[in-house]
Amino acid sequence: GAGVSQSPRYKVAKRGQDVALRCDPISGHVSLFWYQQALGQGPEFLTYFQNEAQLDKSGLPSDRFFAERPEGSVSTLKIQRTQQEDSAVYLCASSLGRLAGGHEQFFGPGTRLTVL
Amino acid sequence: KNQVEQSPQSLIILEGKNCTLQCNYTVSPFSNLRWYKQDTGRGPVSLTIMTFSENTKSNGRYTATLDADTKQSSLHITASQLSDSASYICVVSAHYNNNDMRFGAGTRLTVKP
Repeated sequence: GAGVSQSPRYKVAKRGQDVALRCDPISGHVSLFWYQQALGQGPEFLTYFQNEAQLDKSGLPSDRFFAERPEGSVSTLKIQRTQQEDSAVYLCASSLGRLAGGHEQFFGPGTRLTVL
Repeated sequence: KNQVEQSPQSLIILEGKNCTLQCNYTVSPFSNLRWYKQDTGRGPVSLTIMTFSENTKSNGRYTATLDADTKQSSLHITASQLSDSASYICVVSAHYNNNDMRFGAGTRLTVKP
């Protein structure tokens, strides 16, 4: 497909379980972003990759959150020992170049995580 | 405190009517401002991107304006359609920093027949 894809679309986890969320960016896009979106709110930045390098992880809420992009394409966001407050939609986005330079950012459909 | 404030939080209009959504920001220095449309259960889709020097930009029935002096932007929707029902999110990029994008909470627009 031509767009950003994410899987799974929905995930239900019991508190304490580990989860892994996958993002397939648009082919050739250098920048990849992860966001967390609570119900009725705008997305909140989690982390940013330029190719395989994680240049900013300042938005990750705790050390239970870990993201990787080992080959500079597919990325995985892992949440260990999930808590109820982790319930949210996790959005992935990619762009061809620098956002500050006006490049467009393309979002995936998101993964809705519900922690029981 | 969120550096991007949107109003109203929600809005209901009748099909065919026009509406204007507001975005005020305090992000500085400023690189560009974007408006996104987010349908329920989908990711945001870009409508417009404006830089500091641009005052207005149109995309079909959507027209965005920007006043960089007062740090205000608006999104005007003309002749609304049922498919315009969505959340509209204003996003401001800080200058020089590629990943520093500040998202507003969005305005939830409902267009009724």
